Amino acid sequence: GQQLNQSPQSMFIQEGEDVSMNCTSSSIFNTWLWYKQDPGEGPVLLIALYKAGELTSNGRLTAQFGITRKDSFLNISASIPSDVGIYFCAGQPRSDSNYQLIWGAGTKLIIKP
Amino acid sequence: AAGVIQSPRHLIKEKRETATLKCYPIPRHDTVYWYQQGPGQDPQFLISFYEKMQSDKGSIPDRFSAQQFSDYHSELNMSSLELGDSALYFCASSLGPRGAKNIQYFGAGTRLSVL
Repeated sequence: GQQLNQSPQSMFIQEGEDVSMNCTSSSIFNTWLWYKQDPGEGPVLLIALYKAGELTSNGRLTAQFGITRKDSFLNISASIPSDVGIYFCAGQPRSDSNYQLIWGAGTKLIIKP
Repeated sequence: AAGVIQSPRHLIKEKRETATLKCYPIPRHDTVYWYQQGPGQDPQFLISFYEKMQSDKGSIPDRFSAQQFSDYHSELNMSSLELGDSALYFCASSLGPRGAKNIQYFGAGTRLSVL
């Protein structure tokens, strides 16, 4: 089915580095969500974005809803070991009949020892 | 705060058996969603219910069925299990199926292994 283009697919970083990942779509979205998933667990919501241009922070995490409504990015500053996991973007398309979330393929964050 | 509760956390079944997964949404949430996630994949939407009625249908096989009960909990029934059904099954709930703020909150999932 329809999928968001999420990049990068994986990231190898040193502890303390900043991280940036993004999602793009060919269609307009009403809502952008960023989730983190640890192995064997359910996705946990990190940040929700509702308006074009909106910039929202949650601790060391910052996410923005692109002005074109077709993209979003997530930044993590000063990464720590517990940031390891898979980060998914998800969005709700601008449609009156479809309320399903469309998911990115995920960005796997690995912290180099 | 109460979260989405799924049971069981782990389930092992043989081919051609049936399985029932349960989901208890966050209190006051009236919408539940079921997802299937294979290894290394993003969650694939199966089906959703709003106020006990099916609201959206995704890639749910005909062998699977689901319903939402009067207390808003939901059950996913899986019959004639196949090896390929082995996956993590997540339930999510939200306050309403539509609108800008119907954020989905996920349970910890049920890991189904079909042998």
